[in-house]
Amino acid sequence: EPEVTQTPSHQVTQMGQEVILRCVPISNHLYFYWYRQILGQKVEFLVSFYNNEISEKSEIFDDQFSVERPDGSNFTLKIRSTKLEDSAMYFCASSEQGSLRPQHFGDGTRLSIL
Amino acid sequence: LAKTTQPISMDSYEGQEVNITCSHNNIATNDYITWYQQFPSQGPRFIIQGYKTKVTNEVASLFIPADRKSSTLSLPRVSLSDTAVYYCLVNPLYSSASKIIFGSGTRLSIRP
Repeated sequence: EPEVTQTPSHQVTQMGQEVILRCVPISNHLYFYWYRQILGQKVEFLVSFYNNEISEKSEIFDDQFSVERPDGSNFTLKIRSTKLEDSAMYFCASSEQGSLRPQHFGDGTRLSIL
Repeated sequence: LAKTTQPISMDSYEGQEVNITCSHNNIATNDYITWYQQFPSQGPRFIIQGYKTKVTNEVASLFIPADRKSSTLSLPRVSLSDTAVYYCLVNPLYSSASKIIFGSGTRLSIRP
């Protein structure tokens, strides 16, 4: 069964540094998402992406965050200047066209900001 | 989006059937009910989705009464590996790129 893959599995970064989290969605999927989960808390929506542009973003997704689909396979989340509170698991997801299509999640990147 | 309410935690034993009920009193006509499962240190995983009555797949069954104000996820003969957090979600039918709003879910613990 096709999977969403995320790299790296764990990223440790100094506060203030830029970090790029990478995702390879399932190949025939058209919708892409990023979520995050702070340890012990709920999974939170960050952003959705379709047709090479952001469809929706949450209040968390401020100017420090950006997403990009640089080629036909990768989907990236960039945090420009990381803060301690950015430490979390970041999940990428993708889905086929249509709102009832389930989202397929990767196993996440654990981001630790020091 | 309709608000959902589900138990914070449940315990059961291997081999038992587990039923997790979710309330969604304000569900709209066009809303579907979806359940996800999340194992520790993994991303959420789609389990099952339905609109009314009963849906069954190889993993679970979903029971939805006529008024659709609640739904019950049924896991037959659970094993230790079913220990996870289970999320009940309500999604509108006609909404592209629908974000998922996760609640706290139900933390299911299966004992030997």
